[in-house]
Amino acid sequence: GAVVSQHPSRVICKSGTSVKIECRSLDFQATTMFWYRQFPKQSLMLMATSNEGSKATYEQGVEKDKFLINHASLTLSTLTVTSAHPEDSSFYICSARVSSGENIQYFGAGTRLSVL
Amino acid sequence: KQEVTQIPAALSVPEGENLVLNCSFTDSAIYNLQWFRQDPGKGLTSLLLIQSSQREQTSGRLNASLDKSSGRSTLYIAASQPGDSATYLCAVMDSSYKLIFGSGTRLLVRP
Repeated sequence: GAVVSQHPSRVICKSGTSVKIECRSLDFQATTMFWYRQFPKQSLMLMATSNEGSKATYEQGVEKDKFLINHASLTLSTLTVTSAHPEDSSFYICSARVSSGENIQYFGAGTRLSVL
Repeated sequence: KQEVTQIPAALSVPEGENLVLNCSFTDSAIYNLQWFRQDPGKGLTSLLLIQSSQREQTSGRLNASLDKSSGRSTLYIAASQPGDSATYLCAVMDSSYKLIFGSGTRLLVRP
């Protein structure tokens, strides 16, 4: 199956630091990528939809200036948590949808962010 | 707005039992429904995907059914093993290709 690589897998940072997470589709092109957040013992919540070459679409309640998303190529989307605070500590997971129109999302392994 | 509910929230069974996990969704306009497994602190492992035109999918000891009209899906696990212990997530893909997840069922299979 298609492979999505997410990096880094773990980040520990001080409050006020900005953190960038990368999501790459390794063997397919993805015009659309999705970013999810998962708090402990809760389910995944969609944060935003990332479209190659255009602005991301954010879900209600997600601050676009806080969570910057860039999808500059068909194989790479990045999520930057700006000026991270302890309440941003969470598990962030990306997924990619194959451009051919297949209605399947392939998931990265996730990034655990801990803000001290 | 699509909402996905999973019952039970947690389940503890002895090894060898057959078990059923339930998932319900409020809007039947879906592309597909998918069952995932998530181990503690890890990412998602896709188990079964059922397209909206399908009724069920099987993989090994797992069988998932879909009744789109009633907004329900079940995941059947046969002859459960301790290695099956994990959180099982159900997700539906809506018309904009977004996945909406349920809150999951935490399964513990006791040796």
